[in-house]
Amino acid sequence: DSGVTQTPKHLITATGQRVTLRCSPRSGDLSVYWYQQSLDQGLQFLIQYYNGEERAKGNILERFSAQQFPDLHSELNLSSLELGDSALYFCASSPSPTGWDGYTFGSGTRLTVV
Amino acid sequence: SQQGEEDPQALSIQEGENATMNCSYKTSINNLQWYRQNSGRGLVHLILIRSNEREKHSGRLRVTLDTSKKSSSLLITASRAADTASYFCATGEDTGRRALTFGSGTRLQVQP
Repeated sequence: DSGVTQTPKHLITATGQRVTLRCSPRSGDLSVYWYQQSLDQGLQFLIQYYNGEERAKGNILERFSAQQFPDLHSELNLSSLELGDSALYFCASSPSPTGWDGYTFGSGTRLTVV
Repeated sequence: SQQGEEDPQALSIQEGENATMNCSYKTSINNLQWYRQNSGRGLVHLILIRSNEREKHSGRLRVTLDTSKKSSSLLITASRAADTASYFCATGEDTGRRALTFGSGTRLQVQP
């Protein structure tokens, strides 16, 4: 157990639907990062929050949004889902805003869009 | 696009042999990190090397960094079947304004 908790572990949903992925960071970590991993795109950075504020944005689609709550857990919302959104979604956390001290990853949510 | 590109994409060796993976990157960095991922699972942080360091060791891992060539290598000595996994380099860009950028990974298969 890495200390980063992601739920659910697996999700199967239909095209056009909306889903919410949840992440609780390791105790004491203020930064939360969301990454998407697919076979052909590798590990793509989506978005980062630090202590409740958005800090950095990567290749996140407009159909996707995220937030970090006062208790530091984060949610990633994916809407109008397409087949191409099928991927592993990872949450990671770090104590610092830069991540220079290394990330702790959750075990991921496997999303299948059918 | 991925900043870090890893080479080779896949590597198959026998138990007891050494495995070397290489990573190249494009921008100025503060540090470079290596992670391991067992099939379909979360990545695990292995080792971090800062831009002012040239070599670092941790157990059977040895990492080198050449900032003039913008490249790093990860050496796993005396490999074991349990080392079978994908290995990723990740760079911390020096302004600190971006999240870590991950390479495309090297799939290592260690045959018992």
